[in-house]
Amino acid sequence: AQRVTQPEKLLSVFKGAPVELKCNYSYSGSPELFWYVQYSRQRLQLLLRHISRESIKGFTADLNKGETSFHLKKPFAQEEDSAMYYCALTGGATNKLIFGTGTLLAVQP
Amino acid sequence: EAEVAQSPRYKITEKSQAVAFWCDPISGHATLYWYRQILGQGPELLVQFQDESVVDDSQLPKDRFSAERLKGVDSTLKIQPAELGDSAMYLCASSAQNYNEQFFGPGTRLTVL
Repeated sequence: AQRVTQPEKLLSVFKGAPVELKCNYSYSGSPELFWYVQYSRQRLQLLLRHISRESIKGFTADLNKGETSFHLKKPFAQEEDSAMYYCALTGGATNKLIFGTGTLLAVQP
Repeated sequence: EAEVAQSPRYKITEKSQAVAFWCDPISGHATLYWYRQILGQGPELLVQFQDESVVDDSQLPKDRFSAERLKGVDSTLKIQPAELGDSAMYLCASSAQNYNEQFFGPGTRLTVL
C-alpha cells in the first residue's frame, strides 16, 4: 500500500537549533517525493521536491531509497520557519498526491 | 500572481442538507484536484480532472458526492445529503499538466451540525 508516515505531530526547537522533520514512505515503484508547507493563515504550498535537489529557505531533503525516507533538514531554525509541514509522494499514472499527517514545527525565540 | 480561487471560504450546514463548493483553477491549468482534509490528517484526494474528464475518483463517496468540470475550467463539488462526518476542509488544487507542481486554493471549511 502507498503510505507516507510522519511520526512527529509536533516538533519544538529553539531559534538557531538544527531541525529534522522525519518522513518515511512505502511505495512499490519509484515515487516522486515532496515537502509542502502551510504557514499560519496561508494556503498549502510546495517547499521542495526531491528531483530538483534544491535548497529552499535553507531546507534540504535527501531521498534515501534504502531506508525509504525523505527527512527535511535545516541547520539553523528561524522563528519564521514555524508552520505545518507535510511530506507527500506521487507515483503511477496520475499526479495524485499522497500526504502524511503533518508535523507542526514551532521555533521558540 | 495567479492563484486558485475557492468559495465559499466557510460553510455551516445541517445534516441532510445539500452543499456545493466552487473552484476556479489557475488559468491554463488542465488538471484540477479536489482534496478533503479532516482535522489532524493530511489532505486526501477525492477526485482529479484532466480538462473536463475524471481521471481518478476512487476515493469519492459516490452515493453522496458529485463533482463536475463541464467546460474544463472551473469546477463544483457537491454533497447531498451532508453527514456529520463530512465536516472537514475541502481543498482545490490545479497543475499545468500531469507531474507538475500542484497549486492549492485557500480551501472551504465545512461544518455539518
